[in-house]
Amino acid sequence: SQTIHQWPATLVQPVGSPLSLECTVEGTSNPNLYWYRQAAGRGLQLLFYSVGIGQISSEVPQNLSASRPQDRQFILSSKKLLLSDSGFYLCAWSTAMNTEAFFGQGTRLTVV
Amino acid sequence: KQEVTQIPAALSVPEGENLVLNCSFTDSAIYNLQWFRQDPGKGLTSLLLIQSSQREQTSGRLNASLDKSSGRSTLYIAASQPGDSATYLCAVRPRSNYQLIWGAGTKLIIKP
Repeated sequence: SQTIHQWPATLVQPVGSPLSLECTVEGTSNPNLYWYRQAAGRGLQLLFYSVGIGQISSEVPQNLSASRPQDRQFILSSKKLLLSDSGFYLCAWSTAMNTEAFFGQGTRLTVV
Repeated sequence: KQEVTQIPAALSVPEGENLVLNCSFTDSAIYNLQWFRQDPGKGLTSLLLIQSSQREQTSGRLNASLDKSSGRSTLYIAASQPGDSATYLCAVRPRSNYQLIWGAGTKLIIKP
């Protein structure tokens, strides 16, 4: 069966520090991978998606970047965090763009 | 532009009741609609996926319906239990792009 791992679960970082959140998927190959951010009381916002190694599409221009160094690994990064980067970050995967999406357990990021 | 609305934003019912959560969307050109459950501070758990050609899907005490022409989906929960307390999110995948478009969710509380 397929599983998705996301870590860390919580993170408190000072303004201006770098960020690296990691997501890995097991039990499938060539998944479509996604990073979402969830603001309190609002719907999820798609940040990045990837259909293959090294292929990243950005939906929202911002202080974040994503990379996919391996088939089942998706990394969300920032060189310098802003207070507005605080939020709940979710990684997801699907077999194709129009199939069922499965989510990780999320990372609660607080920038102080 | 596709928009997804979930009403009500919050719902509190006694244990044992049957209940319906509503999701509406503005553009009927969709691949599918997916219902998720989110526990506080946790990731999303996929509950049901309805393809655009389908009218309903069932899983245990959950039944989701889709009326594409009217832009509506309902999630029916039978014989509710305190463990059903969570936020329920619906998301549609439009045919125009790869994004899931999300509702803001319905926070459900089942009182013992």
